[in-house]
Amino acid sequence: GENVEQHPSTLSVQEGDNSIINCAYSNSASDYFIWYKQESGKGPQFIIDIRSNMDKRQGQRVTVLLNKTVKHLSLQIAATQPGDSAVYFCAERRGGRGFYFGSGTKLNVKP
Amino acid sequence: DAGVIQSPRHEVTEMGQEVTLRCKPISGHNSLFWYRQTMMRGLELLIYFNNNVPIDDSGMPEDRFSAKMPNASFSTLKIQPSEPRDSAVYFCASSLASGETQYFGPGTRLLVL
Repeated sequence: GENVEQHPSTLSVQEGDNSIINCAYSNSASDYFIWYKQESGKGPQFIIDIRSNMDKRQGQRVTVLLNKTVKHLSLQIAATQPGDSAVYFCAERRGGRGFYFGSGTKLNVKP
Repeated sequence: DAGVIQSPRHEVTEMGQEVTLRCKPISGHNSLFWYRQTMMRGLELLIYFNNNVPIDDSGMPEDRFSAKMPNASFSTLKIQPSEPRDSAVYFCASSLASGETQYFGPGTRLLVL
């Protein structure tokens, strides 16, 4: 099937640095994208989303960029904090067929 | 708001036994999703419902898996008979509509011995 490729699989950063996580998708029908944060023993938690008619969206310390030309999505976390340590997933919506998730990025923040 | 509620939180069973996982979506949400998460395969969409009707079950692994949504506030995922390879964390999620943000429950950790 058409996968969502996410990288890196593991990211270690120093507290205060910026973090960038990337996803590459292949389905041109994908029109909505979400980033989730999953802490150990919990379900994924919504962070930020973006629709295909946008190329950038900002939240508190997080920015999502969408490049539809090359089918690339990224999550940027500014001034990363120890509380940001978790596994992050991108998810794409493919028309009416629900959401498909990347393989996850484990973010380790060193104090 | 209680969020999505799943039960049980943990289930240990023996191969061949029937397993039933339960989910109560957020009140007012019209779409419900079942996912399975494993280290090897990540998060996989199994099935989703819209207004209690199954829309896409192409992710259901095989006939041993079945899901129902008898009303807007309750859904079940059943595995019969269970096998060790079914061991995973099963998540239920709900959203206002099928294309909108999904809110996940805490998951059911299933171990089939």
